[in-house]
Amino acid sequence: GAGVSQSPSNKVTEKGKDVELRCDPISGHTALYWYRQRLGQGLEFLIYFQGNSAPDKSGLPSDRFSAERTGESVSTLTIQRTQQEDSAVYLCASSLGVGGRDTIYFGEGSWLTVV
Amino acid sequence: KQEVTQIPAALSVPEGENLVLNCSFTDSAIYNLQWFRQDPGKGLTSLLLIQSSQREQTSGRLNASLDKSSGRSTLYIAASQPGDSATYLCAVNDYKLSFGAGTTVTVRA
Repeated sequence: GAGVSQSPSNKVTEKGKDVELRCDPISGHTALYWYRQRLGQGLEFLIYFQGNSAPDKSGLPSDRFSAERTGESVSTLTIQRTQQEDSAVYLCASSLGVGGRDTIYFGEGSWLTVV
Repeated sequence: KQEVTQIPAALSVPEGENLVLNCSFTDSAIYNLQWFRQDPGKGLTSLLLIQSSQREQTSGRLNASLDKSSGRSTLYIAASQPGDSATYLCAVNDYKLSFGAGTTVTVRA
């Protein structure tokens, strides 16, 4: 596609429910990233996928968070048993090459509110 | 761990003034540095990418410099306009992006 596409754009969920957030990277981009931005705060790295290599999960805040990516296409970020502190915008990004030497393009984000 | 700092945190200028936004980082082993713009309720828009081997990059009214050895980058915006009002984020790339907290710019008409 023309840009990084994320869905849903907005999600309100009850505490304790599971949520899935989807990211469609730019076609041909081998690298895919997930970031989180809480209200009024900076961006936190969550996870990085590069081709078929093992993902870098070092930024995932707890074992309630997981992410998958099928090949070099769609990625899904899953948050289990959501808590109010999970409320944030979840941003997906992709780039063309290895090691992040290329411009990284962000989607519009999925805004998650846990009530 | 890479630490990225942006100064100032906020900036308000009258239209037409030049803007200077500063970014510093602690680990110089980076591939590149990217400046982004973020509008309220929106995602991030890439403005400029400077590779580690470059010292400067320009796009229209925007100019970004990079001094990798000292861990600094500066974004200059010439002849500011009200449409430049946004939060500007600096991110250093050592395979993943580490972001500063941003500089929120207000350009007064």
